[in-house]
Amino acid sequence: DQQVKQNSPSLSVQEGRISILNCDYTNSMFDYFLWYKKYPAEGPTFLISISSIKDKNEDGRFTVFLNKSAKHLSLHIVPSQPGDSAVYFCAAIASNYQLIWGAGTKLIIKP
Amino acid sequence: SQTIHQWPATLVQPVGSPLSLECTVEGTSNPNLYWYRQAAGRGLQLLFYSVGIGQISSEVPQNLSASRPQDRQFILSSKKLLLSDSGFYLCAWSVDGGSSYEQYFGPGTRLTVT
Repeated sequence: DQQVKQNSPSLSVQEGRISILNCDYTNSMFDYFLWYKKYPAEGPTFLISISSIKDKNEDGRFTVFLNKSAKHLSLHIVPSQPGDSAVYFCAAIASNYQLIWGAGTKLIIKP
Repeated sequence: SQTIHQWPATLVQPVGSPLSLECTVEGTSNPNLYWYRQAAGRGLQLLFYSVGIGQISSEVPQNLSASRPQDRQFILSSKKLLLSDSGFYLCAWSVDGGSSYEQYFGPGTRLTVT
């Protein structure tokens, strides 16, 4: 039972354009969400997070939007750069404070 | 600043052999520690987490075990490896009682069971 879903295994975006990565969750009790970025053969690195009391959080080129009624969040990267090519994971905090992870979306930025 | 170390970086082991992966954290005290596995083309699966020395919680039944002999040391072990144990193993830490919930990951160990 996947509680956090990233339905797009991969996404290809032109350099300079906006990348939009989507994530859906099923548990309405989740109240904190995080996005991680992972390069091959490396550990994930934290990107940005959002609490359920907000609907938007912005950090430089990265913005996360949260739609609680739809149980949906998205990560926007603008403008997309070649170094953004990586796998992006969405995660939610469970009641025991553990992270529940999505399967990841591979973002490919085309020059 | 805090750093997390994992070794070895890569490992090739035959089926039935034992396993020991080590993770250490520097620059913080009483961290929460985690072992994850990423199978090829899949997301991160939490295997074990620990909130203190000798305190281990297992998330999935398997032939792996974890131990925390010291505050900043976390060890993943197996007595007999299976082919299905192949994957990318990641150790992570988080601040105990922190409000940001962020986890910080080590560089990972690529395990291939042959």
